[in-house]
Amino acid sequence: DTEVTQTPKHLVMGMTNKKSLKCEQHMGHRAMYWYKQKAKKPPELMFVYSYEKLSINESVPSRFSPECPNSSLLNLHLHALQPEDSALYLCASSQGDTGFKRHGYTFGSGTRLTVV
Amino acid sequence: AQKITQTQPGMFVQEKEAVTLDCTYDTSDPSYGLFWYKQPSSGEMIFLIYQGSYDQQNATEGRYSLNFQKARKSANLVISASQLGDSAMYFCAMRDLNTGGFKTIFGAGTRLFVKA
Repeated sequence: DTEVTQTPKHLVMGMTNKKSLKCEQHMGHRAMYWYKQKAKKPPELMFVYSYEKLSINESVPSRFSPECPNSSLLNLHLHALQPEDSALYLCASSQGDTGFKRHGYTFGSGTRLTVV
Repeated sequence: AQKITQTQPGMFVQEKEAVTLDCTYDTSDPSYGLFWYKQPSSGEMIFLIYQGSYDQQNATEGRYSLNFQKARKSANLVISASQLGDSAMYFCAMRDLNTGGFKTIFGAGTRLFVKA
């Protein structure tokens, strides 16, 4: 089992719906990430939270809204999505301290999102 | 700007043989980290191995080794004694350590097929 838990694993939503993706880790990591991955493409960074503060926003449309309620949780709120937003959404975490940069990210299994 | 290039869309290897997956990178920063991740069809990204730009020796992790040639800006992954379970997508990635290491970019990936 992965140490980063993402729910739900699959989500189908209409373009007028509001939904949320959830990510949870209990490894004491202080950096958490959202990535978007289209089929047969590499992951693309969306957001980075470091010590529960938004550190990086890769110019993601406002219909994606991240939230970090505490150091273990990271949410991605979705509203008025488009069919082209259909993708695998991956959450990851890593040690926030600079001394642990040689550690790779720990990824969750992802949420497969389909917008209809 | 940083860039990662993987020129092999797909590779075939016979079970129990070794295989090399190519990765070249470009960056103007002297401090960076190079990573390899494995993504099975289930979607989860699995961290395999890390190489720091100042590391003198090539990294090894079990059957995985990284052939780091700094002057050529290459970081090829070598998998020894391939197993059927190694069939997956493999991504080379780079983190810019000077900016806190919170931004990782991925190459396009190489699909590895292990034949019985």
